[in-house]
Amino acid sequence: QVQFQQWGAGLLKPSETLSLTCAVYGGSFSGYYWSWIRQPPGKGLEWIGEISHGGSTNYNPSLKSRVTISVDTSKNQFSLRLNSMTAADTAIYYCARRPDGFDPWGQGTLVTVSS
Amino acid sequence: EIVLTQSPDFQSVTPKEKVTITCRASQPIYNKLHWYQQKPDQSPKLLIKYASQSLPGVPSRFSGSGYGTDFTLTINSLEAEDAATYYCHQSSLLPLTFGGGTKVEIK
Repeated sequence: QVQFQQWGAGLLKPSETLSLTCAVYGGSFSGYYWSWIRQPPGKGLEWIGEISHGGSTNYNPSLKSRVTISVDTSKNQFSLRLNSMTAADTAIYYCARRPDGFDPWGQGTLVTVSS
Repeated sequence: EIVLTQSPDFQSVTPKEKVTITCRASQPIYNKLHWYQQKPDQSPKLLIKYASQSLPGVPSRFSGSGYGTDFTLTINSLEAEDAATYYCHQSSLLPLTFGGGTKVEIK
């Protein structure tokens, strides 16, 4: 049974860079896309991007200029960096595995951007 | 970008009633449509994949149907534990997108 542990700073100032990491336990790391998804408080879901085991990435064009997703296969971890954060980026950030739909999901990290 | 339009946005339902949520795609997506349930303060959970395929552990009262542009999630005989927001998601074309969600409240 695949499980995630995700971590990273939860409070950022405007213009700072978000850095989150998701560790994958209990399953194969290869053969899947590993995704980041966010959800502003009280709102819907937005796909940020994903990375394969081999390092191939896909990004949402709306965030592409600010996003980097990387993978460390030696640790079964993948990471998200989102630069130039603003209040509009305040959200719960989830990691998830995508073979078909997203399954499973991490517990989420609330990231607040405030001066 | 494929836009997914869910309806209704909100539904207040009595236990044991049947719930139908629709998701319409802005262009054909074959059967690459998936449904999620998100309860308050929890991560979303995959309920149905590829429009109609059930997941292990998901109660049989949840079912999905549809192909192309029009999809439906049905909850037969709603239970109190089904109070949640339901989202559809398409994996046919990048960027991956979600519907706006349907909140189901128990009367």
